[in-house]
Amino acid sequence: EVQLLESGGGLVQPGGSLRLSCAASGFTFSSYAMSWVRQAPGKGLEWVSVVSGSGSSTNYADSVKGRFTISRDNSKNTLYLQMNSLRAEDTAVYYCAKIVAAGGTDYWGQGTLVTVSS
Amino acid sequence: QPVLTQSSSASASLGSSVKLTCTLSSSYIIAWHQQQPGKAPRYLMKLEDSGSYNKGSGVPDRFSGSRSGADRYLSISNLQSEDEADYYCETWDSNTRVFGTGTKLTVL
Repeated sequence: EVQLLESGGGLVQPGGSLRLSCAASGFTFSSYAMSWVRQAPGKGLEWVSVVSGSGSSTNYADSVKGRFTISRDNSKNTLYLQMNSLRAEDTAVYYCAKIVAAGGTDYWGQGTLVTVSS
Repeated sequence: QPVLTQSSSASASLGSSVKLTCTLSSSYIIAWHQQQPGKAPRYLMKLEDSGSYNKGSGVPDRFSGSRSGADRYLSISNLQSEDEADYYCETWDSNTRVFGTGTKLTVL
């Protein structure tokens, strides 16, 4: 059974940093691209970033480019999102998601809440 | 960058059928996701450009997909109370992924 378990969310001041983690199990982690998707309170889903199975290729939404860094450790079956220079508008639930080969999202984590506020 | 357009809301009666629409700016494969209140999203299906679809594990037979021109549909028959949720379409290209704005389905 595929499981994705996010952690690392919390309250952070504007301008601060936070690192999210996503522990994956139930599939061959290194064979699949992974992404982060966020959802601001009362709003829809917003794609944030994607990383290839090897970790060599990454892409970001314009809203986070230059501030967020996605990475993965295939030896630990773990996905990361390093978030720097956080803004109030980054407040959201952040979901880790598995991407089917050359396709869309097929599994979601339960999410972790990030609140950026002074 | 692809653009996906969804109606903001839809409603239908318990036991009836509903068809939700996702309109694409170009021809793309899409995925449909369901988000019940207070829960994480759940993958429903991938809808190919041909109109064929592949559902996720455990998705009831009541859910199906189809297409017509630029429109992609998610059909739900024999509506149940647990189908009341937000429904999102998703597409992707080599550099980006995009979600539609979501349709809030109310089961009357």
